[in-house]
Amino acid sequence: SQQGEEDPQALSIQEGENATMNCSYKTSINNLQWYRQNSGRGLVHLILIRSNEREKHSGRLRVTLDTSKKSSSLLITASRAADTASYFCATDAVRRDDKIIFGKGTRLHILP
Amino acid sequence: DGGITQSPKYLFRKEGQNVTLSCEQNLNHDAMYWYRQDPGQGLRLIYYSQIVNDFQKGDIAEGYSVSREKKESFPLTVTSAQKNPTAFYLCASSIRQADTQYFGPGTRLTVL
Repeated sequence: SQQGEEDPQALSIQEGENATMNCSYKTSINNLQWYRQNSGRGLVHLILIRSNEREKHSGRLRVTLDTSKKSSSLLITASRAADTASYFCATDAVRRDDKIIFGKGTRLHILP
Repeated sequence: DGGITQSPKYLFRKEGQNVTLSCEQNLNHDAMYWYRQDPGQGLRLIYYSQIVNDFQKGDIAEGYSVSREKKESFPLTVTSAQKNPTAFYLCASSIRQADTQYFGPGTRLTVL
């Protein structure tokens, strides 16, 4: 019952560059969230964007949402070594059970 | 110091044994969740609970059982019926269903 799917599956960039990850989903949503997971740890919530919002910022993070294309992007500017992690989108579909469904994630590796 | 805790961090089980993973939160959240994560994969929902004394099956409930006798606690039992239990197990909680989830540090279960 996968809803969100991240792209690319893996991404390696030089420290200081910007990293962009995308998430596509299948059905209408109430909101979309991005989470980060460091290796062997639990997930940490980064940002939530509602279906009536188009863009949201939090520090070096910028999230956009295009409901017509059923897609979202997460941009991390001026990447740092500490940004190395997996990033997951999670969608809250407009349906009876209101469960959040996580994608498979993008593994981001920041090269020194 | 509010948060969500899981214990143990590492757990080893012999085939045919049941084991119980602990999850406790002091965030006063109504909803709690159990996920399974396999290497390089996303999160798959095992069980979730929206309120004390109530819980529902997720996408992969077979071979697992839960209880929700207290608001703070949501233990997961991995039974001998689960044929491939080796995985990373994550517990999470949220104020209500579909809100931002707060994750524990995870339990890595290995079947010997």
